[in-house]
Amino acid sequence: GNSVTQMEGPVTLSEEAFLTINCTYTATGYPSLFWYVQYPGEGLQLLLKATKADDKGSNKGFEATYRKETTSFHLEKGSVQVSDSAVYFCALKGGYQKVTFGTGTKLQVIP
Amino acid sequence: GAVVSQHPSWVICKSGTSVKIECRSLDFQATTMFWYRQFPKQSLMLMATSNEGSKATYEQGVEKDKFLINHASLTLSTLTVTSAHPEDSSFYICSAREIAGTGGFYEQYFGPGTRLTVT
Repeated sequence: GNSVTQMEGPVTLSEEAFLTINCTYTATGYPSLFWYVQYPGEGLQLLLKATKADDKGSNKGFEATYRKETTSFHLEKGSVQVSDSAVYFCALKGGYQKVTFGTGTKLQVIP
Repeated sequence: GAVVSQHPSWVICKSGTSVKIECRSLDFQATTMFWYRQFPKQSLMLMATSNEGSKATYEQGVEKDKFLINHASLTLSTLTVTSAHPEDSSFYICSAREIAGTGGFYEQYFGPGTRLTVT
């Protein structure tokens, strides 16, 4: 079956540091890939997505590139802010439109 | 953008009682809604897929008689936790998939979640 593996957290960074959260996946066919963000006490919000190989999703300074050869979709941001503190979920949508989530990575950005 | 609401946002109930959680798509129609459960520090686990006008499809290990799902209209799905027990305490999140996709891609929008505490 499909699966998503993302780096364990929590990740603690100073403001303006570079962020990378690794995500790899296992899936049959050609899944779509997503990053969702969950702020404290809230539901999930779609951060960015990529629907085919070599696509780059980007939003709010975050970006991730769909790498089919390495089955990866790592999330990056050049300069994080305190307001980016949240839990980030990598996910894929495969056959039958079901979404499979990773376990989430908590990011804490300190001033 | 598309908005999905859930009501209530949090609820506390006594063991043995039933609780109903509503999920509404506010500005779009959704033939399919999904119900997820999130345990502390864990990812979302799909519980069931709800299709308007038909029975829900439950994931393996989810008791359909305990978690009753009704999708009566294109904008409303409800999850009823029957005879709740403390182990049912969790964060329940719904998502709704819009009818009209672009290029075969159907966006899923997530609700803000409902925190259920069973005492």
